[in-house]
Amino acid sequence: EADIYQTPRYLVIGTGKKITLECSQTMGHDKMYWYQQDPGMELHLIHYSYGVNSTEKGDLSSESTVSRIRTEHFPLTLESARPSHTSQYLCASSESKGRTDTQYFGPGTRLTVL
Amino acid sequence: KNQVEQSPQSLIILEGKNCTLQCNYTVSPFSNLRWYKQDTGRGPVSLTIMTFSENTKSNGRYTATLDADTKQSSLHITASQLSDSASYICVVSDRGSTLGRLYFGRGTQLTVWP
Repeated sequence: EADIYQTPRYLVIGTGKKITLECSQTMGHDKMYWYQQDPGMELHLIHYSYGVNSTEKGDLSSESTVSRIRTEHFPLTLESARPSHTSQYLCASSESKGRTDTQYFGPGTRLTVL
Repeated sequence: KNQVEQSPQSLIILEGKNCTLQCNYTVSPFSNLRWYKQDTGRGPVSLTIMTFSENTKSNGRYTATLDADTKQSSLHITASQLSDSASYICVVSDRGSTLGRLYFGRGTQLTVWP
């Protein structure tokens, strides 16, 4: 069982609200990731981090921002939520092990923007 | 274009039966291939990982095969159980970047009926 946590698990909010999705891991992993997943579709990488104070945008353009001030914490923020942001957001972490570092996923946050 | 295609999109089988899920990829260069299991409303959990030199890997009732020449992989589930109902995702990693970019399939939705 992976020690990676996400809160909240479910969130329903109105358009224009600012939200922060929390992700934390207790495995000491240096790499962390945020993915967006719509039903029946593949995961899309929206942000990643190699370590503290390192963040990069992923393949899918996203209006969200992330920060990595502590190794174990990688929050994602939406300054002004819109209905198009409705999706499942998955956080993951991995330890650098050359070619076979496995990503461990959190349970996800299902976001609905009305 | 690097892609991962999975088939079938969905599958229904009776408890106790075997099944095989397919994954074809065009990712190049190739580093490794993973199979993940994702329960509804949860994050994916790694089942197996295979590098270029490995052509089979087992994890309990799950057996994955890899043919790097034809760029095909399969996941065979033996004696299925109700708890096997989930989405099974094929993920291929390239070695072209320090991140080891991951390419996700859309998954095969498996339903096991009693």
